Amino acid sequence: SQELEQSPQSLIVQEGKNLTINCTSSKTLYGLYWYKQKYGEGLIFLMMLQKGGEEKSHEKITAKLDEKKQQSSLHITASQPSHAGIYLCGADRGNTGNQFYFGTGTSLTVIP
Amino acid sequence: DAGITQSPRHKVTETGTPVTLRCHQTENHRYMYWYRQDPGHGLRLIHYSYGVKDTDKGEVSDGYSVSRSKTEDFLLTLESATSSQTSVYFCAITPELGSGAYNEQFFGPGTRLTVL
Repeated sequence: SQELEQSPQSLIVQEGKNLTINCTSSKTLYGLYWYKQKYGEGLIFLMMLQKGGEEKSHEKITAKLDEKKQQSSLHITASQPSHAGIYLCGADRGNTGNQFYFGTGTSLTVIP
Repeated sequence: DAGITQSPRHKVTETGTPVTLRCHQTENHRYMYWYRQDPGHGLRLIHYSYGVKDTDKGEVSDGYSVSRSKTEDFLLTLESATSSQTSVYFCAITPELGSGAYNEQFFGPGTRLTVL
């Protein structure tokens, strides 16, 4: 079973529309990380959330971690074609070695 | 860009042949990781290293071995490649902050491996 569930699995939106991607864990998260992956490329770090209720923004992307630290959302405002790609949430297991585990990803397509 | 390179970037090989993938970093980070990425499974940890000659298994380590004889290089070896090991392999590092705290992971560009 997947420890981090992402939804939706894929998303197709018209340019300019807002969208939200969710990441849910059955366990309390030590740290939640959002990455973006362009097709055929490596992962690019977006944001890290560690405190319950924390919210961070970068340009048009906002990430939130709920108070219980079990769910995070990534919100994109006024989407652009450059936002297209795969978004993955990752979490720190909190054990030796800073091991991460990841959700299965959300594929985002933005139609011009 | 955290100074991580992977080689080769693409490889096609036949079942039963040995394959070694290399991850090289230029910033002397202690922790290095190998993941594989497959549709429907996301990223899964194969092995990781917490220093020279110090390695440990991840969640999908069967069929893989690793070696770290130098800080900058982390090698992943498939002793006898199988078709189920066709995947995209990513190397990652974690910069260690002071007092044992850690930071996000940074990833290499990936190696696409096809086992026929």
